[in-house]
Amino acid sequence: RKEVEQDPGPFNVPEGATVAFNCTYSNSASQSFFWYRQDCRKEPKLLMSVYSSGNEDGRFTAQLNRASQYISLLIRDSKLSDSATYLCVVNGPRYIPTFGRGTSLIVHP
Amino acid sequence: GAVVSQHPSWVICKSGTSVKIECRSLDFQATTMFWYRQFPKQSLMLMATSNEGSKATYEQGVEKDKFLINHASLTLSTLTVTSAHPEDSSFYICSARVGEGRENYNEQFFGPGTRLTVL
Repeated sequence: RKEVEQDPGPFNVPEGATVAFNCTYSNSASQSFFWYRQDCRKEPKLLMSVYSSGNEDGRFTAQLNRASQYISLLIRDSKLSDSATYLCVVNGPRYIPTFGRGTSLIVHP
Repeated sequence: GAVVSQHPSWVICKSGTSVKIECRSLDFQATTMFWYRQFPKQSLMLMATSNEGSKATYEQGVEKDKFLINHASLTLSTLTVTSAHPEDSSFYICSARVGEGRENYNEQFFGPGTRLTVL
């Protein structure tokens, strides 16, 4: 089993739709969790950290379920500019990061 | 947010030559820097963890004699791809993490990446 798994997609949704991504991780000792966004041929950029209590930033909501070892990202009211690859990142012991393969999102008019 | 630069942004070289890539944290001190490699349509693969003043820790399967890492200061880490071959062609990205105890300790700040093409 891979350390961090994501559905690669692509998720193809119309503008205004709500879309959710999940990410599972195998190491129960993982320390911290993040969602990054990566545009084509660019470096990843931090979208949001994921806290145990769940957190929201505008149209984006992230949640963590430690018991089931997964994190989620919900995007409401999708915009064309949300089209990108969303990377799940899990920091293990000693805060060494592991990236998921990424989930591709395509928002169309 | 913290800014990380990489140089060069792209490089084309002949097989057998060595290529050095620099990663700099511009407005903060980074005790830890990470080097990643990303092939097309694949995820970032961690190559090594670089700590200032000590030897880098390489991930399994990464040849430390081929990918030389030097983290000589709190703002600079370098990756040298020695005797590059076409299969080393990839997108190399570094990231830096602020020192322990600082706000956002867990976060990584990424450089813009270096696209290496070996002919």
